Amino acid sequence: KAGVTQTPRYLIKTRGQQVTLSCSPISGHRSVSWYQQTPGQGLQFLFEYFSETQRNKGNFPGRFSGRQFSNSRSEMNVSTLELGDSALYLCASSLAETRGTGELFFGEGSRLTVL
Amino acid sequence: AQSVTQLDSHVSVSEGTPVLLRCNYSSSYSPSLFWYVQHPNKGLQLLLKYTSAATLVKGINGFEAEFKKSETSFHLTKPSAHMSDAAEYFCVVSEAGGFKTIFGAGTRLFVKA
Repeated sequence: KAGVTQTPRYLIKTRGQQVTLSCSPISGHRSVSWYQQTPGQGLQFLFEYFSETQRNKGNFPGRFSGRQFSNSRSEMNVSTLELGDSALYLCASSLAETRGTGELFFGEGSRLTVL
Repeated sequence: AQSVTQLDSHVSVSEGTPVLLRCNYSSSYSPSLFWYVQHPNKGLQLLLKYTSAATLVKGINGFEAEFKKSETSFHLTKPSAHMSDAAEYFCVVSEAGGFKTIFGAGTRLFVKA
């Protein structure tokens, strides 16, 4: 069974640009969550989608958005990029329909550098 | 409110010696607790999880953790460290049906030859 796939793995953008990251969950998983990982702030929760609905959101500005498609694939978008958005963005999928009970399966992440 | 505290940001051990990574949590309800490992430039991988069954949980690669409700702790241990164990470890708490999964700040494990 294929794992969680994130694309692109690495990307470089400049301030003010926008970026879209993609995540394909494990087949059969309907929950997809996104995390930002930085050396200073650690792992921070961005949002979670289940069956195309956002059911939880972290404390990030509105420049960060996401969506989930009917095949459970998910995208996140960051508009008007700032230097502080440089981070590893991790996507995780889960089989559990009840939040909080299931193992999270992580992709290898998309490393974003903002210049 | 949920919270999780990993008591050590760095732990250094010699190969073949025991590993102890400490984690304390706070939760209003019966929590689910997890330990994940992250190797450089990789995603996180589940080591083990506690979900109100046996308090001593065995995971992959020889790791285990004990849930102690009275101490609100979920420390990760391994009897004998291997060089390949060098990585960052995250303690995670969540509540069934809850709104958040909370990650600890991480403990970086160094293993000396």
